Parts: sequence; structure tokens; C-alpha cells
Amino acid sequence: NAGVTQTPKFQVLKTGQSMTLQCAQDMNHEYMSWYRQDPGMGLRLIHYSVGAGITDQGEVPNGYNVSRSTTEDFPLRLLSAAPSQTSVYFCASRKDSHGYTFGSGTRLTVV
Amino acid sequence: AQTVTQSQPEMSVQEAETVTLSCTYDTSESDYYLFWYKQPPSRQMILVIRQEAYKQQNATENRFSVNFQKAAKSFSLKISDSQLGDAAMYFCAYRRYGRGGADGLTFGKGTHLIIQP
Repeated sequence: NAGVTQTPKFQVLKTGQSMTLQCAQDMNHEYMSWYRQDPGMGLRLIHYSVGAGITDQGEVPNGYNVSRSTTEDFPLRLLSAAPSQTSVYFCASRKDSHGYTFGSGTRLTVV
Repeated sequence: AQTVTQSQPEMSVQEAETVTLSCTYDTSESDYYLFWYKQPPSRQMILVIRQEAYKQQNATENRFSVNFQKAAKSFSLKISDSQLGDAAMYFCAYRRYGRGGADGLTFGKGTHLIIQP
């Protein structure tokens, strides 16, 4: 098992550009979620999902879109990047009553 | 909305000593899960311990244990025999539920743990 795989690991965007952060897991986990981590703020929940087709908004969903067409993948889309979206992004997944397993993160800089 | 508060931005402990990290949370739910995660400088999030609210017994994982006080909504982490490798950010988290049974974690802001050799 590769666990939770996030790509890319680093990305620099210009203001207004769009992009998709990829997240894939090979553990047949139903539950997946996206977080952003800013200095001094801890991790904040952006969007989350249970199985294909069901998603919900977390604490900071504005500016981000998600969809879940397969159990394995949960991409996060930035529609029009802003400097305030400069952050480290983590994807996580879980099965049953266990804790979440996290990916290694994507460091995004918007200039 | 559920909130998680970690009131200690930084803690320092001597190697081999015991340290307790504090966490309080706010929820109207009666059944839920709480977690402690460790984040070393590598940035990887590592699950340390989890607690199910309906269980009276405090969770224990080797040198890590929790003091779960449900009525007080308190969930502290005790690290015994501290080791240099325990130095990291520690985050307390609450599992929140949403539409269709989906769930995610609400985190506190973290406590930076320093281990003095």
C-alpha cells in the first residue's frame, strides 16, 4: 500500500490561475478530507467526503471545489488562486473507527 | 459548532520526565471521537492516540496516555519518560460529522513540545 499520495509536493501559482491538488489512496477508505495549515493556525478543514458522490463543506471552503467520482481519488480545485491561499495542504483518509491517515502535504505559494 | 482549544502554545520538559499537554473542546454531541496527532519537523501528521467518548476508560499507547474528562470536556495527553524523538507539534482534534455521514477533523492550534537533553 502506498497510503495517501498527494501531488504535487510543491507548487507556485500566479494570482488568478486555477489548479487541482491531487489526492489518491489505495486503502479502500471511504472517508477523505482536505485541510490547510497556516502558521499559528493549526489545520483547518476545507472539504470532506464519504464515498463517491457525497461531499460537505468544512470550516474554510470558500475558493475551493471538490468532487468524489471514485473511492480512491479526492481532488481539490482552486478556481482562481489568491495570495491568501498560500498554505500547506493536507489530504487524509480513514476507514471504520480508526484515525485519519495523512498524506505528506503540498506546499502552495500564490504570488 | 465544535471548537478545540489548546491553551499552551509551547511546553518544555527534561528528557525522561513526564509532561502533560492540555486540550478542551466544545460540543453538544454525546458520542464522538477525540485524537492527538504529532507533527515533527518533517511535517508528517502521525496519529498518537484516540479516545471514544462513550468509553469510560482512558486510552493508553505505550508511553502516551490521556486523561479524558467528558463532563469537563477536557482531553489532556500525558507523555511519560520523554524522549528526544518526542519533540514536535502536538495537535488535539475532534471528529465532526456532516452531510451523508461524512466526517473530518477539527483541530486545535497546537502545542510545540521541546525536550531538553
